Amino acid sequence: SQKIEQNSEALNIQEGKTATLTCNYTNYSPAYLQWYRQDPGRGPVFLLLIRENEKEKRKERLKVTFDTTLKQSLFHITASQPADSATYLCALEEAGGFKTIFGAGTRLFVKA
Amino acid sequence: EPEVTQTPSHQVTQMGQEVILRCVPISNHLYFYWYRQILGQKVEFLVSFYNNEISEKSEIFDDQFSVERPDGSNFTLKIRSTKLEDSAMYFCASSPGLASSGANVLTFGAGSRLTVL
Repeated sequence: SQKIEQNSEALNIQEGKTATLTCNYTNYSPAYLQWYRQDPGRGPVFLLLIRENEKEKRKERLKVTFDTTLKQSLFHITASQPADSATYLCALEEAGGFKTIFGAGTRLFVKA
Repeated sequence: EPEVTQTPSHQVTQMGQEVILRCVPISNHLYFYWYRQILGQKVEFLVSFYNNEISEKSEIFDDQFSVERPDGSNFTLKIRSTKLEDSAMYFCASSPGLASSGANVLTFGAGSRLTVL
């Protein structure tokens, strides 16, 4: 089955800087990869989706890249703000069915 | 904006008791899911449900768990005899399916926190 690896260490950055989070997966390359945001005690919220034939996707201050050769996605938040502080989850769909699995997430702290 | 609604927000129960967690998915969504998150751990898939039957289930979803869509709006998760290790946040999610966008994007509820004593 698919395994997803995200940096378990928290990422601390200064307001205004760019945060870069990494997601690696181990097995087959999925047709698409998703990023979600989770605040403490809340459910994940969908942010962005990138398909296997897309190298990069942008939405406002967010940018996602997808390298199927490296089996890696990078998630960038530019001009970061304290309100961006949250846990960011990478998600993939397992082959053959409706089973989306999540990485453990990377906790981001943006200091003012 | 449409949302997934879960009740109760918090339930405390004694070990061995039955628990039912309720969810109202987004009305035009076709696929329904339950996930759980033990405190400090990752969001884990339990089960997906489509066309009134289970599509996929994880190894966590054993005989103690069941799901049901008793009417056109509710989606429930039942734990027959709760154990201490069932203490977790349980999230319901729904999606329109692949047809609308070619990808399965999930909308989650706020969760039901289950505490088993």
